[in-house]
Amino acid sequence: AQSVTQLGSHVSVSEGALVLLRCNYSSSVPPYLFWYVQYPNQGLQLLLKYTSAATLVKGINGFEAEFKKSETSFHLTKPSAHMSDAAEYFCAVPQGGSEKLVFGKGMKLTVNP
Amino acid sequence: DAGVIQSPRHEVTEMGQEVTLRCKPISGHNSLFWYRQTMMRGLELLIYFNNNVPIDDSGMPEDRFSAKMPNASFSTLKIQPSEPRDSAVYFCASSFHVIWWEQYFGPGTRLTVT
Repeated sequence: AQSVTQLGSHVSVSEGALVLLRCNYSSSVPPYLFWYVQYPNQGLQLLLKYTSAATLVKGINGFEAEFKKSETSFHLTKPSAHMSDAAEYFCAVPQGGSEKLVFGKGMKLTVNP
Repeated sequence: DAGVIQSPRHEVTEMGQEVTLRCKPISGHNSLFWYRQTMMRGLELLIYFNNNVPIDDSGMPEDRFSAKMPNASFSTLKIQPSEPRDSAVYFCASSFHVIWWEQYFGPGTRLTVT
């Protein structure tokens, strides 16, 4: 079964610094990969998705992610962090031929002034 | 457009009581998902429906949990009897079958069982 791994649970950056959130998928190449974001006291919302059409995917709020088959990775980046980016970020992959999404454990991003 | 609506937003109940959580999916969406989120276990899928039919309930923790979707615009998740370990945030999400995995989440119901 497909799975994703997000190592660590918390990352802290300074405002204006690069944001890098790591996600690795299990060995078989998934047709889709997703990043979702959860702001405090809210539900998750879709940040961006990979659909095999392009390896570099741009999402909302200046985030992007690059699919790298050689590294089985789909890391999320943003060149310059903003205070409003403080949230929890989840990588997700579809499970089998179903509508189910398998989520990573999440990474809480703190942005320091 | 209104997003996914969940009620109540907060629920505090005593152990042994029945709890009913409610969800209204986005109009036109035909899949509905119930998730539970805790610090210990993260985000877990409990059950999902397609066209009002339960497709996979393998995530439902035990018989105390039940979910129904009587029509396309309403679903309930019931816990009877509730226990302290059920304390969590419960999310409902919906999606449109052509774009399966773009799930739209509601704001969640924070359940506390004392």
